[in-house]
Amino acid sequence: SQTIHQWPATLVQPVGSPLSLECTVEGTSNPNLYWYRQAAGRGLQLLFYSVGIGQISSEVPQNLSASRPQDRQFILSSKKLLLSDSGFYLCAWSPGVGEKLFFGSGTQLSVL
Amino acid sequence: EDQVTQSPEALRLQEGESSSLNCSYTVSGLRGLFWYRQDPGKGPEFLFTLYSAGEEKEKERLKATLTKKESFLHITAPKPEDSATYLCAVRAFNAGNMLTFGGGTRLMVKP
Repeated sequence: SQTIHQWPATLVQPVGSPLSLECTVEGTSNPNLYWYRQAAGRGLQLLFYSVGIGQISSEVPQNLSASRPQDRQFILSSKKLLLSDSGFYLCAWSPGVGEKLFFGSGTQLSVL
Repeated sequence: EDQVTQSPEALRLQEGESSSLNCSYTVSGLRGLFWYRQDPGKGPEFLFTLYSAGEEKEKERLKATLTKKESFLHITAPKPEDSATYLCAVRAFNAGNMLTFGGGTRLMVKP
């Protein structure tokens, strides 16, 4: 069966520090991969998605970037965090375009 | 622009008190409507996908229905373990990989 791993679960970082969140999927090949952000009490916002290695689409211009160095690995990064980057970050995968998403357990990021 | 509005924002029920959650949507051609359950501090868990008006899906105490403008998540005789935030999302035919999520309904079921 397929599983998705996301870490760390919680992270507290100072303003201006770098960020790296990692997500890996097991049990499937060539998944579509996604990074979402969920602000407190608000809906999920799609940040990036990828349909293959090295292929990244950005939905929202921001202080973040994403990379897909391997088929089942998706990384969310920032060179310098802002206070507004605080939130709950979720990685997800789907078998193909238009299909249901399977989410990771999330990372609660607090930028102080 | 695709829009999804969920109501109410929060709902308190007594155990066994049935109710419905609403998801109103505006999309240029619905490709699919998705319901998710999210527990505090966790990622959303997939519940249902609905594709066309009139379609219904059931799972235990939950039943999801779909019309051309909205979807309902009916909860029959809820239990405290049904307490969670329920999220609705839509995908339009011209949206590619984009899912538009509503703000969610936080359900609290008291024993």
